[in-house]
Amino acid sequence: DTAVSQTPKYLVTQMGNDKSIKCEQNLGHDTMYWYKQDSKKFLKIMFSYNNKELIINETVPNRFSPKSPDKAHLNLHINSLELGDSAVYFCASRSERGTTYTQYFGPGTRLTVL
Amino acid sequence: DQQVKQNSPSLSVQEGRISILNCDYTNSMFDYFLWYKKYPAEGPTFLISISSIKDKNEDGRFTVFLNKSAKHLSLHIVPSQPGDSAVYFCAASISGSARQLTFGSGTQLTVLP
Repeated sequence: DTAVSQTPKYLVTQMGNDKSIKCEQNLGHDTMYWYKQDSKKFLKIMFSYNNKELIINETVPNRFSPKSPDKAHLNLHINSLELGDSAVYFCASRSERGTTYTQYFGPGTRLTVL
Repeated sequence: DQQVKQNSPSLSVQEGRISILNCDYTNSMFDYFLWYKKYPAEGPTFLISISSIKDKNEDGRFTVFLNKSAKHLSLHIVPSQPGDSAVYFCAASISGSARQLTFGSGTQLTVLP
């Protein structure tokens, strides 16, 4: 009964490759996010989708492209991977109903670019 | 520029005592604040939140205090337990369609048995 799941948990790849990280939530939430935790442990917003539409795109290289096939999924595609892309990527989701703005996070995907 | 700051990277407390974790923010537009707990190799887990219209919210052993004039919030854990040892992140959001979270850098809490 995992609420927010991500695959894979670990991803090791060579520079220049293209890779994808998948995220699924079974909470019925309307809004989903991608965050990046860098080497200094800061968690920073990358993208936000609401009902399959992009509503936030922070200053992220256009090598990163989110794709939302439906409300329950938000995948992250990364082209031409660079060493600096190594980080932990977290997916999160939130309900638009009510007045609480709690986001629920997935377990994270540790990406290592060699 | 960090809009949410946690100035203590670590805190050690004896089991049974109170743990107080602090967080400061600079953006007066923030109107909702949350605390998350994170264990290694796991995602952040929601602990407790508070709206800017309140100054206190309590949930079991966890209480969050908000001082809007000082732009400061704190998380109190009483009594502290060894299982509380984790990294605690403060986060804030602004009213709007996205409600993305702006996180502090985290405080590593260690509860000593």
